Amino acid sequence: GQNIDQPTEMTATEGAIVQINCTYQTSGFNGLFWYQQHAGEAPTFLSYNVLDGLEEKGRFSSFLSRSKGYSYLLLKELQMKDSASYLCAVPDSNYQLIWGAGTKLIIKP
Amino acid sequence: TAGITQAPTSQILAAGRSMTLRCTQDMRHNAMYWYRQDLGLGLRLIHYSNTAGTTGKGEVPDGYSVSRANTDDFPLTLASAVPSQTSVYFCASSEGGENTGELFFGEGSRLTVL
Repeated sequence: GQNIDQPTEMTATEGAIVQINCTYQTSGFNGLFWYQQHAGEAPTFLSYNVLDGLEEKGRFSSFLSRSKGYSYLLLKELQMKDSASYLCAVPDSNYQLIWGAGTKLIIKP
Repeated sequence: TAGITQAPTSQILAAGRSMTLRCTQDMRHNAMYWYRQDLGLGLRLIHYSNTAGTTGKGEVPDGYSVSRANTDDFPLTLASAVPSQTSVYFCASSEGGENTGELFFGEGSRLTVL
């Protein structure tokens, strides 16, 4: 079946770097998504990886290894506004997204 | 730009009552979705519509119904609410299917069933 695992919560310091991991198990692979969700708000799109490797987008980068069923989101130069939940999602065999429970990132001054 | 608008923002509902959550988008997206989000769980798809006039069941469709009479509107109806339907409901849309690109979400509707 399909399964996505992410850490429940992480804490990091303002200005530092943090890596949020996501492992997945799917029958077939059709890309991996990362979304950001601030408390009480809607999720917003961060990145989409379909090929192996690192994709950089400003302070945020996303990495994918299809052979390992593994992705991570790298956040650099952390700011207080980065405190949010980060959601990992992959399409299943019916092309419907399966979502991880999300990683709550707490940024401390 | 409005994007996706959901109503109501929050609602308290007595068990056994019916309720319709409204969702309207102004981006002319083909696909629309309803998710529920519960603490400790990922977003779960309730129903979806790939294009106007068609709908499909997601992971947790029981107790919910949808319609897609036109491109812009995708209401979600609870015919007879039960406490387990207490949740935050998100409507979303995309140009194509879920797996093909960015989902745009509404601000959510918090529903409490007592």
